[in-house]
Amino acid sequence: AQKVTQAQTEISVVEKEDVTLDCVYETRDTTYYLFWYKQPPSGELVFLIRRNSFDEQNEISGRYSWNFQKSTSSFNFTITASQVVDSAVYFCALSLENAGNMLTFGGGTRLMVKP
Amino acid sequence: SAVISQKPSRDICQRGTSLTIQCQVDSQVTMMFWYRQQPGQSLTLIATANQGSEATYESGFVIDKFPISRPNLTFSTLTVSNMSPEDSSIYLCSAYRNYEQYFGPGTRLTVT
Repeated sequence: AQKVTQAQTEISVVEKEDVTLDCVYETRDTTYYLFWYKQPPSGELVFLIRRNSFDEQNEISGRYSWNFQKSTSSFNFTITASQVVDSAVYFCALSLENAGNMLTFGGGTRLMVKP
Repeated sequence: SAVISQKPSRDICQRGTSLTIQCQVDSQVTMMFWYRQQPGQSLTLIATANQGSEATYESGFVIDKFPISRPNLTFSTLTVSNMSPEDSSIYLCSAYRNYEQYFGPGTRLTVT
């Protein structure tokens, strides 16, 4: 069965620091998708990125970047020059094409950015 | 992307009663799911809402407790039956389309 681990339950940084959120996944399938979601205090889940298992290119979107490494089964998320508005819980998730595309979530990392 | 709305956004219910949560998607989607997020926890899949057939439930969730309907490709309901305080959670609907999965704003349920 598939599994997603986010070892960091809580991270606290000062504004403008860079921060990396770790995500490690387990699956025997060769076709899968990895996701990151942001859940701000208001509670809604905001989609950030989807990456398929055949695309190991790193991605950058503004201050956000993602590093996908199949060799270590990791899909880490870095926020550069963090801001207070980045404070939220961040979830990494995995879906399998052969298992109905439902998401298996990691436990989440609570990021607190202090001014 | 898909825009998803849920009703109600929150409710406080008494134990032993039932609550039906509605989920509406702005366009047709192939798959819809229901997740539960208990306080301070991650999200757990309850079931896949299948259009025209019975929902597919994950281990630990049963139809008698969480009956689900999906009458068409844009709408689904989840009922939380015979509620107890342990059912206090956020219930989220999600829709899958084009390899991406979007979430509704959630229904925050408190059972007293």
